[in-house]
This record gives sequence, structure tokens and C-alpha cells, in this order.
Amino acid sequence: EADIYQTPRYLVIGTGKKITLECSQTMGHDKMYWYQQDPGMELHLIHYSYGVNSTEKGDLSSESTVSRIRTEHFPLTLESARPSHTSQYLCASRVNGELFFGEGSRLTVL
Amino acid sequence: AQSVTQPDIHITVSEGASLELRCNYSYGATPYLFWYVQSPGQGLQLLLKYFSGDTLVQGIKGFEAEFKRSQSSFNLRKPSVHWSDAAEYFCAVGSMDSSYKLIFGSGTRLLVRP
Repeated sequence: EADIYQTPRYLVIGTGKKITLECSQTMGHDKMYWYQQDPGMELHLIHYSYGVNSTEKGDLSSESTVSRIRTEHFPLTLESARPSHTSQYLCASRVNGELFFGEGSRLTVL
Repeated sequence: AQSVTQPDIHITVSEGASLELRCNYSYGATPYLFWYVQSPGQGLQLLLKYFSGDTLVQGIKGFEAEFKRSQSSFNLRKPSVHWSDAAEYFCAVGSMDSSYKLIFGSGTRLLVRP
């Protein structure tokens, strides 16, 4: 079983602030993903990574950026947060065809 | 276009009653199908998956799902619902290519009456 950790779980910030959502996993999985989920809506893939120094944009356009300097970390950054970024962000890693999800980071931008 | 449809936004059942959640998909390649459950404030937990073989798959917590290729469906079932099953359920489809992108449905919220 994979352990995926996301911090912070909840974040309320003002417009224009820079934020980083952390995601780490302890199982050495190469493939990691970020999904965005609005209340009552499906999950949309915004970023994914095949391994260190590999990142790709997902199906939903996002102003966020990601990095993959180490296998276990896959942080997501918003340089200047806006109210339209208010959402839940879910990180996942993949092994044997299965996605394992973290508990999510719920971001509110005022 | 690839898509997943969960036609029921909300479903309410009585505790002990049977449950079926519907999922239809549109996918060009051989589909790999999943059901996930999400409790409030939590991430998604895999209930079951179908890759190949027997079209009736068993999952955790007493859930099962049946893949019907002719109907492009992968409905989730449980014979007797427990109050702890109240949650949001997501159907997803993907493939085993290198990107392994999962496409999710919009979810069905299950409410359980005591």
C-alpha cells in the first residue's frame, strides 16, 4: 500500500500570495499526478510526472507549476493565487496500474 | 471523445437495502475501469478495478462491479448497504499507456437512511 502525504490539508490565503502544495510518497513510485477537484465535480488532471525531472501538463489547463527534483516529492506551486484557484487539489502516485491518492489540499483564495 | 458518465448525482437508500451505481464510458481503446470512494474531506480510495478476464470483479467492503462491453457499462453493486457506505463514488476509465491518465466521472453521492 502506498503512503501519499499532502500538506497543508487546508489553506486560506489572500489574492496575490505565492503558495506551494506539498506532496510526498514513501514507496519510490515513478509516476505521480495532480488532480483538481471542485465541489460536486469530477477530478481533472492538471499535471503528471514519469519520474525525476519529468513533468507534463494534464488535460485541464492550470496556472500552477510543478517540479520533480526527487522521486518522493512532487510539489505544486501557484505564483500568484486568485479566487479562481479555490479548489481541492489531490495528489496521487501509480503502481501496478492503480492510483493511490493523498487526502487532498483544500485551497481557498480570498 | 473519451468520457465517463455517472447519471445519478445523488442516490438515497435505506440501510440494509441493495445498491447499484451506474457508470457508462466512452473510450477508444481497451478500457481499464475503476471505482473509487471518497469520504468527506478525504482522498480517494480504490474499491475495485477491471483490467481483463472475469467481467464480474470483487472489491473491498463487499462491493462488486460488472463490466458489460456491449453496454459500455461498469456498474457498482452491493447487496446490503451499511450506514458507513455513505460517501461519494467515482467511476474512472483509463489505459495502460505510458501516461496512464484516468478520466473520472462526476461522481454519485450516496446517502444512507437509518
